[in-house]
Amino acid sequence: SQTIHQWPATLVQPVGSPLSLECTVEGTSNPNLYWYRQAAGRGLQLLFYSVGIGQISSEVPQNLSASRPQDRQFILSSKKLLLSDSGFYLCAWSRGTGGASQHFGDGTRLSIL
Amino acid sequence: SQQGEEDPQALSIQEGENATMNCSYKTSINNLQWYRQNSGRGLVHLILIRSNEREKHSGRLRVTLDTSKKSSSLLITASRAADTASYFCATDSLGGSNYKLTFGKGTLLTVNP
Repeated sequence: SQTIHQWPATLVQPVGSPLSLECTVEGTSNPNLYWYRQAAGRGLQLLFYSVGIGQISSEVPQNLSASRPQDRQFILSSKKLLLSDSGFYLCAWSRGTGGASQHFGDGTRLSIL
Repeated sequence: SQQGEEDPQALSIQEGENATMNCSYKTSINNLQWYRQNSGRGLVHLILIRSNEREKHSGRLRVTLDTSKKSSSLLITASRAADTASYFCATDSLGGSNYKLTFGKGTLLTVNP
C-alpha cells in the first residue's frame, strides 16, 4: 500500500532562518506531488505541484521554493523565513489526471518567532 | 476567487442526528470531492462524484451534485462523536490543469455525545 511521510511534525524557527521540509512517498511510482499551506481555520492554499522529477509549478509568488530531486521526494525550502510563513504545511500525492483524489501527509506545524 | 465555498462554516449537532454540509463552486468541473480533516492532521479523501453523476453513497455518507446550480451537498447520517472534524469540498476545473484541485475553506462539524 502507498504511504506518505512528512517531517518534522512541528518546527519553531527564528525570522530570517532557512527552512527545509521533506516529504516522501512509498509504494507508488511517478506520483504527482503537492505542497499546501493552511492558515488557522482556513482552507488549503496550493503552493507548488510537480508531475515529474525536476518539474515544479509554482502557484503563489513568495519566498518559498520547491524541489523534486527524486521521483518520490518533494522538498519545500526557504532561504530566509518571514513571520508570514507561519502555518500548517501539508504534502500530498496523487496519480493520474482529471482531478484524481489526493492523499495527504500529517503535516508540519511551522511557527516563526 | 474561491472555487469551492462550504456552508455552514460551523455546525454543531447531537450524536445520532444527521449532518448536512453544502458546497458551491463557480466554474464547470470534471468532478467534485469531499475530504475530512481531524484537528492537526492531514486531509483524508472521503468520496468523489463525477460531473455526470447526481448522487453517490459510501457507508453513512451521501453526496449529491447539481451541476446546474453548481452545488453539492454531503450528508452524514446517524452521526457519531468520532465524526467531529472539518469537511472540505475540492474541485478540478473543466479545461483547467489536470493536476490541481481547489479546496474550499471547510465546515467544522462538532458532534456532541
